Amino acid sequence: QVQLQESGPGLVKPSQTLSLTCTVSGGSISSGGYYWSWIRQHPGKGLEWIGYIYYSGSTYYNPSLKSRVTISVDTSKNQFSLKLSSVTAADTAVYYCARTADGSGSEYWGQGTLVTVSS
Amino acid sequence: QPVVTQSSSASGSLGSSVKLTCTLSSGHIGYIIAWHQQQPGKAPRYLMNLDGSGSFNRGSGVPDRFSGSTSGDDRYLTISNLQSEDEADYYCETWDSNFYVFGTGTKVTVL
Repeated sequence: QVQLQESGPGLVKPSQTLSLTCTVSGGSISSGGYYWSWIRQHPGKGLEWIGYIYYSGSTYYNPSLKSRVTISVDTSKNQFSLKLSSVTAADTAVYYCARTADGSGSEYWGQGTLVTVSS
Repeated sequence: QPVVTQSSSASGSLGSSVKLTCTLSSGHIGYIIAWHQQQPGKAPRYLMNLDGSGSFNRGSGVPDRFSGSTSGDDRYLTISNLQSEDEADYYCETWDSNFYVFGTGTKVTVL
């Protein structure tokens, strides 16, 4: 059973960079066939796809966030990471990592981590 | 890029059935979607994927009370024998050309 776990600071100051890591267990990122996604949920709102990375390092981002987002992968640690630059209060949200596949969607989710942007 | 539309709320009595709708935007009638359940305070849980022919595949451990069906550009999630733990938000998800999108979610209330 694949499990994902987000980690990172819960509080980020405005204009700084939000950094989160997702650790995958029960399956290898390097095995291929899946995308490794970041998804967020603003308080009381719906889900917003941020982007994903393939094990090879190919990335795809939501155009609305593309200028500020970087997703990277470390296959040796079976982890992938999110960086979101120049954050504002509007980036306060619960951030989820997920395993995603064409044909099935986002099948496995992490528990989520709340990131608050505040000075 | 596809857009998916969901109604904001639905309700049903304990033991009854409720049918949720996810409507694909024009030009995306054959697309596959996924349904997710999000109970209060929890992460989303994958329920199933559902294609344009009405064929669906439940996720691991998902009860067979949850089923999917299709009519044109509409994708349905039916919850039978409604239980108190089914009170949750339900989201549909679809994708195209390396772009994924979620619907706004339907809040299901169990009466």
